Amino acid sequence: ELKVEQNPLFLSMQEGKNYTIYCNYSTTSDRLYWYRQDPGKSLESLFVLLSNGAVKQEGRLMASLDTKARLSTLHITAAVHDLSATYFCAVFAGGTSYGKLTFGQGTILTVHP
Amino acid sequence: KAGVTQTPRYLIKTRGQQVTLSCSPISGHRSVSWYQQTPGQGLQFLFEYFSETQRNKGNFPGRFSGRQFSNSRSEMNVSTLELGDSALYLCASSFGGGMNSPLHFGNGTRLTVT
Repeated sequence: ELKVEQNPLFLSMQEGKNYTIYCNYSTTSDRLYWYRQDPGKSLESLFVLLSNGAVKQEGRLMASLDTKARLSTLHITAAVHDLSATYFCAVFAGGTSYGKLTFGQGTILTVHP
Repeated sequence: KAGVTQTPRYLIKTRGQQVTLSCSPISGHRSVSWYQQTPGQGLQFLFEYFSETQRNKGNFPGRFSGRQFSNSRSEMNVSTLELGDSALYLCASSFGGGMNSPLHFGNGTRLTVT
């Protein structure tokens, strides 16, 4: 069974600082997604990583994928308050796993002034 | 292009009752998936429908069921509600449901069982 683990689960950052969220998964996959969720809201797609070595950047967020290590990272550069949210990584197991993403536990990010 | 629409946004039900949630996918999307989100268990996959057929199912009891109509709209039903069914239920649509079809999530239905 595919397992996805994120760390840390809670992250309190000061504005202007850098940090990385890690996402490990247990079986082979070459489709990894990062989502953002604000309190009481739905999931907003941030990145889709499709192959080994994939790197995508949007604003202060950069995501990468290492399929051999079964590891994805979400790097936050010079954090600002607006980035406060819960971040999820999710893995598609492939094959006949139609419509099924396995999610990590989520990382609750709080950015302080 | 309209996004995934879920109705209602909020529901309050009593234990033992049943409930039906609705999801309208993005136009042109034929795959609809349902997820349950709770603080304790996180995001868990319920089932997926494509062309009115259930193709995939998660580990939930038979009280959770769904269906899809010819226009790709989907409904999810929970019978004999339990307190533990209180959750945010998210619907996601995609073109084909496979690995090349990113999921687009709706705003969810918040179900409270008392």
